[in-house]
Amino acid sequence: EVQLVESGGGLVPPGGSLRLSCAASGFTFNSHWMTWVRQAPGKGLEWVANINQNGSKIFYVDSVKGRFTISRDNVKNSLYLQMTSLRADDTAVYYCVRTIGGSSCLWGRGTLVSVSS
Amino acid sequence: QSVLTQSPSASETPGQRVTISCSGGTSNIGNNPVNWYQQFPGTAPKLLIHSNDQRPSGVPDRFSGSKSGTSASLAISGLHSEDEADYYCAAWDGGLNAYVFGTGTKVTVL
Repeated sequence: EVQLVESGGGLVPPGGSLRLSCAASGFTFNSHWMTWVRQAPGKGLEWVANINQNGSKIFYVDSVKGRFTISRDNVKNSLYLQMTSLRADDTAVYYCVRTIGGSSCLWGRGTLVSVSS
Repeated sequence: QSVLTQSPSASETPGQRVTISCSGGTSNIGNNPVNWYQQFPGTAPKLLIHSNDQRPSGVPDRFSGSKSGTSASLAISGLHSEDEADYYCAAWDGGLNAYVFGTGTKVTVL
């Protein structure tokens, strides 16, 4: 089955760290750009970061630069988001997305990150 | 604050046509393809339109997209009750080096 499954979300205090994972299956993972998108409770969608097929091109939204790191392991067919110095406004559902702007776009179900003391 | 602006809501009766607009600038819509996503409450978004006006396999032809200059539109014709959802436009912004989403439009079927 073609799918993306996120994991690693949870409750973390402000200033803490968390590592999200996204396991890809059913398709050739290393052929696709991958993206993290988040959605705060009751709010709209916000793009977080992109990574190209071999990890040589990476982009971040300004609000996470220097705090979040996107990476991928094409052997394990997995995408990651290392999040540090977490703030309350990072609270959101985080989605893993394949080829966000193309015909082969695929979204995972998301994982909830809550930053609170 | 999003760089792509959408009207917060739109509504119409079943069978009618509703149009959602998305306003941007030269660094995003003006020079890059626009994509549209549909999201039902509590679920992940789904790609509805890519490359301004292309429907992925499985998307009904009731959904159509268009772009002109720095604005884009999504039209839903023959509105169904199951089309009630949130709709987001998005595009790459070459000035920000970021993928930007619109503010979102909630479509209500009366």
